[in-house]
Amino acid sequence: QLQLQESGPGLVKPSETLSLTCTVSGGSISSSSYYWGWIRQPPGKGLEWIGSIYYTGSTYYNPSLKSRVTISVDTSKNQFSLKLSSVTAADTAVYHCTRRPAGMGWFDPWGQGTLVTVSS
Amino acid sequence: EIVLTQSPGTLSLSPGEGATLSCRASQSVSSSYLAWYQHKPGQAPRLLIYGASTRATGIPDRFSGRGSGTDFTLTISRLEPEDFAVYYCQQYGSPVTFGQGTKLEIK
Repeated sequence: QLQLQESGPGLVKPSETLSLTCTVSGGSISSSSYYWGWIRQPPGKGLEWIGSIYYTGSTYYNPSLKSRVTISVDTSKNQFSLKLSSVTAADTAVYHCTRRPAGMGWFDPWGQGTLVTVSS
Repeated sequence: EIVLTQSPGTLSLSPGEGATLSCRASQSVSSSYLAWYQHKPGQAPRLLIYGASTRATGIPDRFSGRGSGTDFTLTISRLEPEDFAVYYCQQYGSPVTFGQGTKLEIK
């Protein structure tokens, strides 16, 4: 069964770069059938799609975050990563990694999520 | 971008009752590209429905989805205690957007 696990610092200072990694187990990130991505949920708010990546490195980002987001993939480690630059308190959220079937738009499964707080 | 509005914000029901959750899109969602998720605190969101009406693997048949264009519904017949959670709809246009959620709570 495919499992996704987020990891990274839980506290980031304003103006710095948030960095998270998602480790995929139970399946290969190099599968041609899927995209891999990030979704976040600020406390008390709804879900926001951040972006997706294919194993070849092709990326798709939410236009609202595109200028600050970089998603990358490391097929040798079966991991993909998120970098969000110039963070502010508004970037405080639970960050989930997830998988999307190629050519489709739903997300399944999701990681449990990791809370990242932006504070000095 | 397509804005999804879910109603009601909170739904208070008892186990055994039926629930109807609504998701309205600000513009037509093409080819029924709509999904529903269940989210419990501290857990990963769980895909329930995709393509507006297709149940995901392992989802009980008491969950059903329908709709097209701008109006979609998720129906849960005969609520079980484990069904009380927050439910989100999602459209997979560009960009992907989610509704704000409906909290289904025990009355």
